[in-house]
Amino acid sequence: AQSVTQLDSQVPVFEEAPVELRCNYSSSVSVYLFWYVQYPNQGLQLLLKYLSGSTLVKGINGFEAEFNKSQTSFHLRKPSVHISDTAEYFCAVSSPFGNQFYFGTGTSLTVIP
Amino acid sequence: DAGVTQSPTHLIKTRGQQVTLRCSPKSGHDTVSWYQQALGQGPQFIFQYYEEEERQRGNFPDRFSGHQFPNYSSELNVNALLLGDSALYLCASSWGHTTDTQYFGPGTRLTVL
Repeated sequence: AQSVTQLDSQVPVFEEAPVELRCNYSSSVSVYLFWYVQYPNQGLQLLLKYLSGSTLVKGINGFEAEFNKSQTSFHLRKPSVHISDTAEYFCAVSSPFGNQFYFGTGTSLTVIP
Repeated sequence: DAGVTQSPTHLIKTRGQQVTLRCSPKSGHDTVSWYQQALGQGPQFIFQYYEEEERQRGNFPDRFSGHQFPNYSSELNVNALLLGDSALYLCASSWGHTTDTQYFGPGTRLTVL
């Protein structure tokens, strides 16, 4: 079985400051890892994904994440946030052999002017 | 190119009623997955349809059923509605019975009174 833990439920950060949203996963098999963003009253938009290869993954809107197999982590980072980054962020895990997504409970990012 | 579309956007039902939600996948996609997102929670996998058959199912009771049509669109049916069924229902589409590239629709907000 697979699971995801998002370590912070809420993250407030000042505009133009860096941010890191933490995600740890649990799996007995190889994994695919994802970060999605959800703006109020909208569906999920894919920010980035790790399937294989380079452990540093770059996504849209200046976000990046690093897959760390030894620490079973996939933390999301952005060097300088904007007001428009205020949203809910979800980490998710899947596997190459299965076709279910397991989502974390989400991290609410609030960018303060 | 239309993305994933869902209808209706909002729905209000009373306990014990039945509801049908609809999803049209992104052009070129043949696999549809359904998720339930309760308020303040991450999405939870309900089931996935591929080639008009339910291929995998999450931990949801038989009151939740679905269907996929030859044009790959899908329906989610929920019988004997409970208050706890109130949630945002998300549809996601992908290609070839995989989830490594999954696109989400905007969701249907179901309120059970």
